[in-house]
Amino acid sequence: DTGVSQDPRHKITKRGQNVTFRCDPISEHNRLYWYRQTLGQGPEFLTYFQNEAQLEKSRLLSDRFSAERPKGSFSTLEIQRTEQGDSAMYLCASSLVAGRRVSENIQYFGAGTRLSVL
Amino acid sequence: AQKVTQAQTEISVVEKEDVTLDCVYETRDTTYYLFWYKQPPSGELVFLIRRNSFDEQNEISGRYSWNFQKSTSSFNFTITASQVVDSAVYFCALSEAAYNDYKLSFGAGTTVTVRA
Repeated sequence: DTGVSQDPRHKITKRGQNVTFRCDPISEHNRLYWYRQTLGQGPEFLTYFQNEAQLEKSRLLSDRFSAERPKGSFSTLEIQRTEQGDSAMYLCASSLVAGRRVSENIQYFGAGTRLSVL
Repeated sequence: AQKVTQAQTEISVVEKEDVTLDCVYETRDTTYYLFWYKQPPSGELVFLIRRNSFDEQNEISGRYSWNFQKSTSSFNFTITASQVVDSAVYFCALSEAAYNDYKLSFGAGTTVTVRA
């Protein structure tokens, strides 16, 4: 088990450019979450997937943000027309949720992608 | 409204001292889960513990211990005999079961610095 992987670790872009991040969850996990963390704050929920279905999106996720999880495996988070306010650490987490039994529902996080928008 | 409050922004101790991190939470749900995560300088959030709302037993794991008190909505974390490797940001988080999403609501974190 290699844990949750995120790529790239760091991304520097100019305002107005599009960026895409990738997350590879732990292989048997059916849930995948995206969070955003700004300096000095705790992570904030953005969206989550159950297998390939995106079930919830936070109000933080503007129209410029889109996330996918094709085939219920890896996920991508794309930000279009980046703004300086998008600069943050983007964290991915995965967990296993089996019906109403939540004994496995612990989210394991990747190392994150740090985005800097100049 | 902030669901998880970590009132201590920074704590600095000398090695071998004990340090206690406070966490107060707010929820109307009767079934919920509380977590502690550690974030070292590398950035990855490391899971430390999960407690459910029906289990108020305190827990000890090595030098770590947790005190869960529903009466005061608190879930405090103590590091005994701190070491330099304990230096990190520690987050308390809440997950509510009502909507089956189990998303985490984090506190702002407490930065612990252990000096040699």
